[in-house]
Amino acid sequence: DIQMTQSPSSLSASVGDRVTITCRASQGISNYLAWYQQKPGKVPKLLIYAASTLQSGVPSRFSGSGSGTDFTLTISSLQPEDVATYYCHGRWTFGQGTNVEIK
Amino acid sequence: EVQLVQSGAEVKKPGESLKISCKGSGYSFTNYWIGWVRQMPGKGLEWMGIIYPGASDTRYSPSFQGQVTISADKSITTAYLQWSSLKASDTAMYYCVGCIVAASPYYFDSWGQGTLVTVSS
Repeated sequence: DIQMTQSPSSLSASVGDRVTITCRASQGISNYLAWYQQKPGKVPKLLIYAASTLQSGVPSRFSGSGSGTDFTLTISSLQPEDVATYYCHGRWTFGQGTNVEIK
Repeated sequence: EVQLVQSGAEVKKPGESLKISCKGSGYSFTNYWIGWVRQMPGKGLEWMGIIYPGASDTRYSPSFQGQVTISADKSITTAYLQWSSLKASDTAMYYCVGCIVAASPYYFDSWGQGTLVTVSS
């Protein structure tokens, strides 16, 4: 089975900060990597797929990169509405999630 | 507009059977993968399995193989998740997911509203 390891498990940053979340696959998964956002009490939402393709309607401050085993989700300027848990998902395996809060 | 509408919340006893549903609309149901994701209370997301309704091609996570059955009825554009004998540890929110925009079974771009299953004696 593929294992997906996210880091950090939680972070606190100020509005306007650049935030980076990383995800590492236990074996190469090419670019089969997606990122989801789940706000408290809400249904998860696809942000990025194929490692770097922004889903329609997602703000451009979100971006993704990586290939093989190492991937990154970046929020270029953190906004209050970005408070959520973020999950990477590689070939049918989810990471454990990163909880993002505002400092 | 793509929609996945799930059946309502269920309260069951251990050992009982259950089948929950997810009705797809606004797209060609037979031509896109549809799957299920579990979220236990206060925990993360877990991929359970996926089906391609046009061919009844079904894949399961090793963690859920043999524990649940995923099926689909093309005639009513509905996918199902089924248990034959529920356990208390099956208590969770279950999301139906569609793989439509990216047309890949690895990307869940459409989500149902979730079905809360509570198993308690």
